[in-house]
Amino acid sequence: QSALTQPASVSGSPGQSITISCTGTSSDVGSYNLVFWYQQHPGKVPKLIIYEVTKRPSGVSDRFSGSKSGDTASLTISGLQAEDEADYYCCSYAPSSTWVFGGGTKLTVL
Amino acid sequence: QVQLVQSGAEVKKPGASVKVSCKTSGFSFTSSYIHWVRQAPGHGLEWMGMVRSSGDSPSYAQKVQGRVTMTKDTSTNTLYLELNSLTPEDTAVYYCTRLYYGDWGQGTRVTVSA
Repeated sequence: QSALTQPASVSGSPGQSITISCTGTSSDVGSYNLVFWYQQHPGKVPKLIIYEVTKRPSGVSDRFSGSKSGDTASLTISGLQAEDEADYYCCSYAPSSTWVFGGGTKLTVL
Repeated sequence: QVQLVQSGAEVKKPGASVKVSCKTSGFSFTSSYIHWVRQAPGHGLEWMGMVRSSGDSPSYAQKVQGRVTMTKDTSTNTLYLELNSLTPEDTAVYYCTRLYYGDWGQGTRVTVSA
């Protein structure tokens, strides 16, 4: 059960788009369309922003979008805003009824 | 509305055990998967395990297998996480969550220190 691989940090200017990758294996990300993305502001509870690879929960901005290719899932945030500055975590279903998180990515809005 | 309300902070000595509760409401308890996730200070989220629908056995992460027990009380819609043989590395905020739907408890801080 190794953690999914995410870049430690990404940055972008307001209005720009950024993409955060989440690399797993053929046993987790590559096998299931069960990739989730969470946003976490400091001291706060994680917030679900993408489920089942591409779907957005009600109330989540359409500036957030998800995709997957092979063993790598991606989260794209378009039209960056200051409030998007947070930590982002991917999460995938894995073999033997387990789940695994990525190490997290700190997004800085310049 | 969906609520997951966790028990309060705990301070434990190394080698001790801790039991955290998570009282739920607003959804079908017996048909839901509830996960436990922890976050050590300054670190990322770590999946610990999940309690499945009534009648199924829990599923645990390899890292805590053998030290963790997750149970549920269907009469009170409450889940429990028990972690044994604590070490300072278990110091973290522990969350119960309906991972799939994005519902989280407020977190329980567990501190392990001599």
